[in-house]
Amino acid sequence: AQRVTQPEKLLSVFKGAPVELKCNYSYSGSPELFWYVQYSRQRLQLLLRHISRESIKGFTADLNKGETSFHLKKPFAQEEDSAMYYCALNAGNNRKLIWGLGTSLGVNP
Amino acid sequence: GAGVSQSPRYKVAKRGQDVALRCDPISGHVSLFWYQQALGQGPEFLTYFQNEAQLDKSGLPSDRFFAERPEGSVSTLKIQRTQQEDSAVYLCASSSTGTEEAFFGQGTRLTVV
Repeated sequence: AQRVTQPEKLLSVFKGAPVELKCNYSYSGSPELFWYVQYSRQRLQLLLRHISRESIKGFTADLNKGETSFHLKKPFAQEEDSAMYYCALNAGNNRKLIWGLGTSLGVNP
Repeated sequence: GAGVSQSPRYKVAKRGQDVALRCDPISGHVSLFWYQQALGQGPEFLTYFQNEAQLDKSGLPSDRFFAERPEGSVSTLKIQRTQQEDSAVYLCASSSTGTEEAFFGQGTRLTVV
């Protein structure tokens, strides 16, 4: 079965602390994974996709096929990083996305 | 406009009423997706269009849900005889080829009372 698991509903860190948002997936094929972010009162927007291997706003995510994980990391959290983060898996050729439940990140001053 | 536009932003419907939700994708985008997001949940896939063709409707929860995109641009999601469990945010997304980034609209929040 295709599934994305984000085990933490809420995550709270202090400004300047490292942050890791966990994402595990279940998929029999070759996975394509994404992180989307939703800031307060804004629409969902793409943050990262694993195939691009780039760093956006200081965030990185590495696909670990052995652990079936795609955790999102940032070494020094900023207050403006406070948002809802969703991990998503591309399931098939039509780009249909399977989503996790999301993690609400709060960065405290 | 520059982005995906959805209307209305908010809709309150009485149980049993029919509703129609509109999505204006980014001009020229071939692929269009509808997702349903219940409170506290992640989005769930409903249906996918490539131009005017509905290639996947496996996520539509019942035959009360119907989507169309007759001219390959604007899409409408129709829900007949709404029920309380239909209350959710309905998200529309479009992408240029289906292999590129999907851009999301602000969503329509449907509340069935």
